[in-house]
Amino acid sequence: DSGVTQTPKHLITATGQRVTLRCSPRSGDLSVYWYQQSLDQGLQFLIQYYNGEERAKGNILERFSAQQFPDLHSELNLSSLELGDSALYFCASSGGRTSVTGELFFGEGSRLTVL
Amino acid sequence: GENVEQHPSTLSVQEGDSAVIKCTYSDSASNYFPWYKQELGKGPQLIIDIRSNVGEKKDQRIAVTLNKTAKHFSLHITETQPEDSAVYFCAARRRGGADGLTFGKGTHLIIQP
Repeated sequence: DSGVTQTPKHLITATGQRVTLRCSPRSGDLSVYWYQQSLDQGLQFLIQYYNGEERAKGNILERFSAQQFPDLHSELNLSSLELGDSALYFCASSGGRTSVTGELFFGEGSRLTVL
Repeated sequence: GENVEQHPSTLSVQEGDSAVIKCTYSDSASNYFPWYKQELGKGPQLIIDIRSNVGEKKDQRIAVTLNKTAKHFSLHITETQPEDSAVYFCAARRRGGADGLTFGKGTHLIIQP
């Protein structure tokens, strides 16, 4: 158990809809990262937050947004969903006192299916 | 930005044999190279990592080598066992950059009994 909790585990929705994925980082970790995993693209970095502030942006679409709250949990919002958004979305955390190398601890992912 | 290429995409080896997965990176400023293992239905988990000031690191049956000049690094698994079957990802992180890792596309390692 990595200590990172993601909800929901599975989500099925229709094109054009909006969903929110939730992530609780490991206790003490200040950084939260979001990754998208699809079969042909591997793990694509979307966005990173550190202690409530956006720190780095990767290949995140304008239809997607994220935030990190004062209690350090994070939400990834996906809107105007398209079939191609179907993927596994992972949250990872790092930056706690036990993190020396900057190791990322991944949750078990949220599987999004857009029909 | 950083680009990480990983080969092969699928690797099948006999139980007890060795497996080698290779990665190349593009950004010479990258200085941290971890390897993650992802089992079915789970998130990736760190198994070993290496920094650019070290050429090789070993942990029991797994080892990683780094060639900074050629900008490539490799994962070596010896005496493979059925529980080694998984998807393995290499990654790179740029010195002084954001903490986000750039991952390769993964290698599906299959251990044949």
